[in-house]
Amino acid sequence: DAGITQSPRHKVTETGTPVTLRCHQTENHRYMYWYRQDPGHGLRLIHYSYGVKDTDKGEVSDGYSVSRSKTEDFLLTLESATSSQTSVYFCAISAINPNTGELFFGEGSRLTVL
Amino acid sequence: QQQVKQSPQSLIVQKGGISIINCAYENTAFDYFPWYQQFPGKGPALLIAIRPDVSEKKEGRFTISFNKSAKQFSLHIMDSQPGDSATYFCAARGDYKLSFGAGTTVTVRA
Repeated sequence: DAGITQSPRHKVTETGTPVTLRCHQTENHRYMYWYRQDPGHGLRLIHYSYGVKDTDKGEVSDGYSVSRSKTEDFLLTLESATSSQTSVYFCAISAINPNTGELFFGEGSRLTVL
Repeated sequence: QQQVKQSPQSLIVQKGGISIINCAYENTAFDYFPWYQQFPGKGPALLIAIRPDVSEKKEGRFTISFNKSAKQFSLHIMDSQPGDSATYFCAARGDYKLSFGAGTTVTVRA
């Protein structure tokens, strides 16, 4: 299994509070991604990073920010959580091998916003 | 809107039967088409993938069929087994990012 650790794995919070999810990798892969998974929508890209301090928006980035100060860590922050952000969040990493382009996913962080 | 459209949303198949999941895309710049398998409580894992210059790829009981002109691709699971019960996602890569379909929940009845 790819060395990806997400924390926390489960969190319940209240509307309006800040939340930070952490993704830690031990593979030294350049690319890191945050996806959210919701029924009927599959996996939707929130933000991604292509190197330290290099990040860009995905298709559902509103209400989220990210930071990557080290190769191994990618943080996802909800500045003021809303109920619509209740979801399962997955971190993924990739070496972007031209032949495979495989993404390796973490086990997910389930966030409930009350 | 979703860049990759996947159907059906769910399917039930008898043990030994064939499961077929279809996906369609619009962006002709996509250069890599993987399928991911996800079990409850776990992250998705790569199952099989194909590049657009190949029309078919087979790995064990899993086969991808790719139709570039129609911008469609499909996953066939032959001789379906109860252990294949999972959610399957098709995806397409462009600009180093994967866009996923909405997923298909496959249930294999023993």
